[in-house]
Amino acid sequence: SQKIEQNSEALNIQEGKTATLTCNYTNYSPAYLQWYRQDPGRGPVFLLLIRENEKEKRKERLKVTFDTTLKQSLFHITASQPADSATYLCALDIAGGTSYGKLTFGQGTILTVHP
Amino acid sequence: EAEVAQSPRYKITEKSQAVAFWCDPISGHATLYWYRQILGQGPELLVQFQDESVVDDSQLPKDRFSAERLKGVDSTLKIQPAELGDSAMYLCASSKRTGIPPTFGNGTRLTVT
Repeated sequence: SQKIEQNSEALNIQEGKTATLTCNYTNYSPAYLQWYRQDPGRGPVFLLLIRENEKEKRKERLKVTFDTTLKQSLFHITASQPADSATYLCALDIAGGTSYGKLTFGQGTILTVHP
Repeated sequence: EAEVAQSPRYKITEKSQAVAFWCDPISGHATLYWYRQILGQGPELLVQFQDESVVDDSQLPKDRFSAERLKGVDSTLKIQPAELGDSAMYLCASSKRTGIPPTFGNGTRLTVT
């Protein structure tokens, strides 16, 4: 069956270190992959989108890679800060379409950055 | 910055009762989505609208759930009758068109007792 898995439920790191979150998928050939941030009691907030023909994308301290051979995306936060503490979700359009909003999400990784 | 408005913020209801959630998308956003998020899981798509038309409701439990967007603007999601397993966060999201990642509201937290 189709599946999206984020490597760990929780990740704890020290301030200033790089956080690396993993998203693996099976039985899809997505045209793109998205990453969202979700704070407790709030809706997800879009962070980055990477397309199948892009190996890497950056936005400020965020970097996303997309390996369609490994069926994996890595999400990095460099120089992490306590304010980066949140749940991070990866999402795909499993229909292979271009709606960008008709998404299947992973279960999320709870990131905690300790001062 | 424009936001997707949802109400109520919290709802507690007894099982077998009816419950309704309301969403007002960002002005001009033609595409609207309803998602359900069970605690500890990622959001799950329930229904997608394009203007007033349902584009996809394949994941909507139609025996008890209904959704409408009569004038192609705001939308209502209804559950009747509510069951204990319906306890979750119900999220609304919208986008100007299908080629843009959606903006999510802050959801309605439903507790069924």
